[in-house]
Amino acid sequence: AQTVTQSQPEMSVQEAETVTLSCTYDTSENNYYLFWYKQPPSRQMILVIRQEAYKQQNATENRFSVNFQKAAKSFSLKISDSQLGDTAMYFCAFMKRWNNAGNMLTFGGGTRLMVKP
Amino acid sequence: ETGVTQTPRHLVMGMTNKKSLKCEQHLGHNAMYWYKQSAKKPLELMFVYSLEERVENNSVPSRFSPECPNSSHLFLHLHTLQPEDSALYLCASSQREGAYEQYFGPGTRLTVT
Repeated sequence: AQTVTQSQPEMSVQEAETVTLSCTYDTSENNYYLFWYKQPPSRQMILVIRQEAYKQQNATENRFSVNFQKAAKSFSLKISDSQLGDTAMYFCAFMKRWNNAGNMLTFGGGTRLMVKP
Repeated sequence: ETGVTQTPRHLVMGMTNKKSLKCEQHLGHNAMYWYKQSAKKPLELMFVYSLEERVENNSVPSRFSPECPNSSHLFLHLHTLQPEDSALYLCASSQREGAYEQYFGPGTRLTVT
């Protein structure tokens, strides 16, 4: 079974600064996918960024980027130029290689990020 | 912006009531999921439906009964719940083939009194 650990229950950052959220996972799989999801106070969970384990290049999406260290089983999220709208719960999630049963995610416990003006 | 809707958004029910949660996706996906989100625990996968067949049941108590009549609709039937079942119930959908992300609904906040 896979486990995902987010060691920072809460974090805060000043607007326009950079913050990094940590995530580690445990798996015996070699082919898998990692995700960061964001859940703002309105509760709609949305995808922030995705990383395929077979890709060495770190994924980036505008102000969001990841530092994927496969050997260390680490998958951190960096948010640059933080904005007030980034205030949310952030969940790290693991998905092993898809099968006909659908794409089942294992989530970490979440990190509550507050961006301060 | 969301292609996944859930109703009702809030529900209060007694322990002897029977109620149902509804989820609908408008994204053409063929897999749907129910999650439970409690304050003290990570998101817990409850059920997975792939092409309208249930393929995963993570040891969920029988007082929760899912139904997937077609690829666009998913229900969670509730009966004789316990106070510890109070939580946010999230529905999600995805394509079952490939590493496609799941799209989530806004959730139903359930309170069992």
